[in-house]
Amino acid sequence: GENVEQHPSTLSVQEGDSAVIKCTYSDSASNYFPWYKQELGKRPQLIIDIRSNVGEKKDQRIAVTLNKTAKHFSLHITETQPEDSAVYFCAAFKGGGGNKLTFGTGTQLKVEL
Amino acid sequence: DTGVSQDPRHKITKRGQNVTFRCDPISEHNRLYWYRQTLGQGPEFLTYFQNEAQLEKSRLLSDRFSAERPKGSFSTLEIQRTEQGDSAMYLCASSLLRDWGEQFFGPGTRLTVL
Repeated sequence: GENVEQHPSTLSVQEGDSAVIKCTYSDSASNYFPWYKQELGKRPQLIIDIRSNVGEKKDQRIAVTLNKTAKHFSLHITETQPEDSAVYFCAAFKGGGGNKLTFGTGTQLKVEL
Repeated sequence: DTGVSQDPRHKITKRGQNVTFRCDPISEHNRLYWYRQTLGQGPEFLTYFQNEAQLEKSRLLSDRFSAERPKGSFSTLEIQRTEQGDSAMYLCASSLLRDWGEQFFGPGTRLTVL
């Protein structure tokens, strides 16, 4: 089955700096890669996603890149703010069979003032 | 509220008791998923439904677990003879019927087995 690895497990940045979280996946048939933000005690919230037919997607301060050949994708957050502090999860999805998300182990992002 | 809802939000039970959780998906969503999340980990897939049909179950889902979605709308997840290892957050998500349908999560039911 699919296996998703995520690094780093914790990340501390100064407010205004950029943060990068990286994930690798094992199943080359996976075709959809969402990122979720989860604040303590709350539900995972979808913040951005990318499909396998594109290499990059941007939404304001958040961007995701995908390298299908290397089977890795990354989340980039620019101009970080204290409210960006949360746990971020990457996930991989294979449509047409195995219709489930396989999640990484999460990255605890802390944005310090 | 038009998002995914779950009930109850918290459940404390004694080992050996049965518990049942409910999930109400976003109304037009055909697919419904159950995940389990333990502290410090990402959600792990348990099972999913397309309309009323249960199409996939994880090996994590022992025979003490059963899920239903009888009318293709809400779903229930029952755990029989609960064990302390069942303590976790049980998350429900729903999506449209698409190859890469975005999944939207409910707030979860936190189960504590004493």
